[in-house]
Amino acid sequence: KNEVEQSPQNLTAQEGEFITINCSYSVGISALHWLQQHPGGGIVSLFMLSSGKKKHGRLIATINIQEKHSSLHITASHPRDSAVYICAVGSTGNQFYFGTGTSLTVIP
Amino acid sequence: NAGVTQTPKFQVLKTGQSMTLQCAQDMNHEYMSWYRQDPGMGLRLIHYSVGAGITDQGEVPNGYNVSRSTTEDFPLRLLSAAPSQTSVYFCASSLILLGEQYFGPGTRLTVT
Repeated sequence: KNEVEQSPQNLTAQEGEFITINCSYSVGISALHWLQQHPGGGIVSLFMLSSGKKKHGRLIATINIQEKHSSLHITASHPRDSAVYICAVGSTGNQFYFGTGTSLTVIP
Repeated sequence: NAGVTQTPKFQVLKTGQSMTLQCAQDMNHEYMSWYRQDPGMGLRLIHYSVGAGITDQGEVPNGYNVSRSTTEDFPLRLLSAAPSQTSVYFCASSLILLGEQYFGPGTRLTVT
């Protein structure tokens, strides 16, 4: 049983396209996180949110608490956005649960 | 600030050997965690600490020990390495429990 499900698993886009990655979760959460893992392996935190929407540059994250669903959008995608995007939830049981990631490739 | 540092970056062990993965942070974070990342699976929590002297088990603790004698350091010990422990290990820290995680660069461990 996976507490966090992401879709799609793999995504290929042309440069400039609008991209959406989805995350559904089944546990009660205190916050949801979006992480980025580059091909070199390092992991960085993009967003932490518990309601509504956050924006940072070309990245937008939204969350719907009632539907237990979050989306990560990338506007005007660029090859440097190619990475694995990971959804994680901090549960009300004080545990972190991670999705298996969405591998994004942006082609010039 | 160096952030979260991990050593070594790569390690090869033989079955039965022991070793310690080092993790340090210079952000004065109370919360530190160890994760393993395996192909096709999400990051899984091994052990975590909510402050110096306090540690607890995560989802996959068997075969690993931790200690937290200082706020800065959180080493992970493999007692008797097994091939199933071949993985990439990440250390992370955060200011608050379940807060924004700061990850180290990872240690790629192979057990033969």
